[in-house]
Parts: sequence; C-alpha cells; structure tokens
Amino acid sequence: DQQVKQNSPSLSVQEGRISILNCDYTNSMFDYFLWYKKYPAEGPTFLISISSIKDKNEDGRFTVFLNKSAKHLSLHIVPSQPGDSAVYFCAAISYAGGTSYGKLTFGQGTILTVHP
Amino acid sequence: EAGVAQSPRYKIIEKRQSVAFWCNPISGHATLYWYQQILGQGPKLLIQFQNNGVVDDSQLPKDRFSAERLKGVDSTLKIQPAKLEDSAVYLCASSPEGDSYEQYFGPGTRLTVT
Repeated sequence: DQQVKQNSPSLSVQEGRISILNCDYTNSMFDYFLWYKKYPAEGPTFLISISSIKDKNEDGRFTVFLNKSAKHLSLHIVPSQPGDSAVYFCAAISYAGGTSYGKLTFGQGTILTVHP
Repeated sequence: EAGVAQSPRYKIIEKRQSVAFWCNPISGHATLYWYQQILGQGPKLLIQFQNNGVVDDSQLPKDRFSAERLKGVDSTLKIQPAKLEDSAVYLCASSPEGDSYEQYFGPGTRLTVT
C-alpha cells in the first residue's frame, strides 16, 4: 500500500531554471507534508514542510504547494543550482489515528540533476 | 551540535549470519527511529522509541530483527539470521519530544547480504 508516491524517478534541469518535483498521496488523514533532500552516502536532511491547513509555504528558493482536493503536492526550486542535485523525498505524517499515526511515510524519491 | 552518529558505515555479510548496527542520537532527543531503505525506495520505518520504550514496531520483522534502546540514549538494531532481501541502507533518526515530523537522520549503514 503505497500511500505516498513520487511517479518521476528522475528530473534533469538546466542551472537557473525552475525545478518542479511532484508527489501524490492517498491518505486524506495526513496532517503535515515534508520534503527531505539526500546526498549520496548521507542521511536525508529536512528541507521544507507544509501543514494541511495551508496551500503554500516558501523558504528562500524553495516553495511547496499543497492541493488537498487533488491530494497532490509539489516542490518548486527557483533558480535551480548544481548544488541542488540530490534525491528528493516527499513524506507525510498523520496525527489523526489509524495505522499511519505519528509515523513518517516516504515516497520513493526523485533524483534531481541540475546541469551547469 | 553533533549530529546522529551511526556505525559501521558499511557491512558485508553472508546470508544466515548475524549483524548489529549502532546509533547515537542527537543529545537530548527523546525519540529515536530506525528505518530501512531498499535501493530505489523511500525509507520505511522499522521501529520508533520514545526514551527507552517502543512506540511503534509494527513493520519490524520480529522473527529476525530486534532493537533496543537501553537508558533511553543510544540504540542497537540486530538482524539474526540475515537474508538476501535485508540488503539495504539502515538509517537512524532522532527528533525532539513533540516534533516527530522533523527528524534528523544519521548517514546510515549500508548492508550487503551475499
């Protein structure tokens, strides 16, 4: 049961352009959504989050958009830099009970490559 | 502030052997997590500790996996006996009490079972 899905295994973008990473979820009980970034041989690091009561959260070059009706969120990186090349994981957490309660559920990840 | 420490970083064993991983969380973090990340997939939670008590171990294969967090600080995860499908990166994470959605991950242990 894949509750959080990232359907694009990879994305290639030119430096300076916008990177858009997408994520879909099936569990309407999720309260928070997060993006983690992972470099090779390192653990994931928290990047940005959004509460289910909001539709947008911005932090510098990173913006996350949430569309609850479509159960879809996206991460926009503008402008993209070569140092942004990494694996990006979408994750979600629910505090509303059920089997997902209080547990981070991750998507499969999208490999972003930003070319100079 | 020191991050989450894990050892070893890499381990190669034969199937049916046993292996143990160690994790030291960020100082003061009450919650500790062990994840399994198989190649091409996202991390999957195996077990979550709150201090030294287990909060969630619903996805831990208890016939071969065990974990403990004595004294509510560092933790060990053991696999005995290992199977080929246990080949993965084992990630440890910690979070302050009440902030479980923002977790701090260690570098992971890459396990290869041959």
